[in-house]
Amino acid sequence: GESVGLHLPTLSVQEGDNSIINCAYSNSASDYFIWYKQESGKGPQFIIDIRSNMDKRQGQRVTVLLNKTVKHLSLQIAATQPGDSAVYFCAGSTSGTYKYIFGTGTRLKVLA
Amino acid sequence: DAGVIQSPRHEVTEMGQEVTLRCKPISGHNSLFWYRQTMMRGLELLIYFNNNVPIDDSGMPEDRFSAKMPNASFSTLKIQPSEPRDSAVYFCASSPVHQGATEAFFGQGTRLTVV
Repeated sequence: GESVGLHLPTLSVQEGDNSIINCAYSNSASDYFIWYKQESGKGPQFIIDIRSNMDKRQGQRVTVLLNKTVKHLSLQIAATQPGDSAVYFCAGSTSGTYKYIFGTGTRLKVLA
Repeated sequence: DAGVIQSPRHEVTEMGQEVTLRCKPISGHNSLFWYRQTMMRGLELLIYFNNNVPIDDSGMPEDRFSAKMPNASFSTLKIQPSEPRDSAVYFCASSPVHQGATEAFFGQGTRLTVV
């Protein structure tokens, strides 16, 4: 069945270090992926997306890498800051459908 | 734009009572989603509307749950009667397109506690 899941439930990093959050998906037809950030008491907030015709996309301090061969994507956060502490979700979708399949989430803790 | 607006932010109710959650999507968005988030199950899609029409309600847990979208700027999710296991955070999200390929914008959520 279709699923999007995360390898690590909690990631602790030192302030200033780079963070890498991983996500695996099972549906080969998934062709659009989003990373969301959810802070405590708030709704998921869009960070960055990537389509399957790309293998890398960069934003401000964030980079998403997509490896379609092994059905894996990752979110890299450069120079992690305390404000980056949150739960991060990946979500996958397939063109022609409206459903986003969300992963279980990874909690990122930034240590001072 | 103020984003997706949900009300109330918090709701505490007694088992058996009716609960109505409200959502105002972003103006111009024609797709609306209701999600439920729990620690055990994560984010679950309950129902999806496109152009005010329910397209997929297969995620609605039981007949106790119902959702309406009377116009493009308002949707409700109703639980009647409510049960303790309905306690969760309920999110509304909207998107400017049908059938994916763009992000959904989430509201702040309604935290529902049924005692």
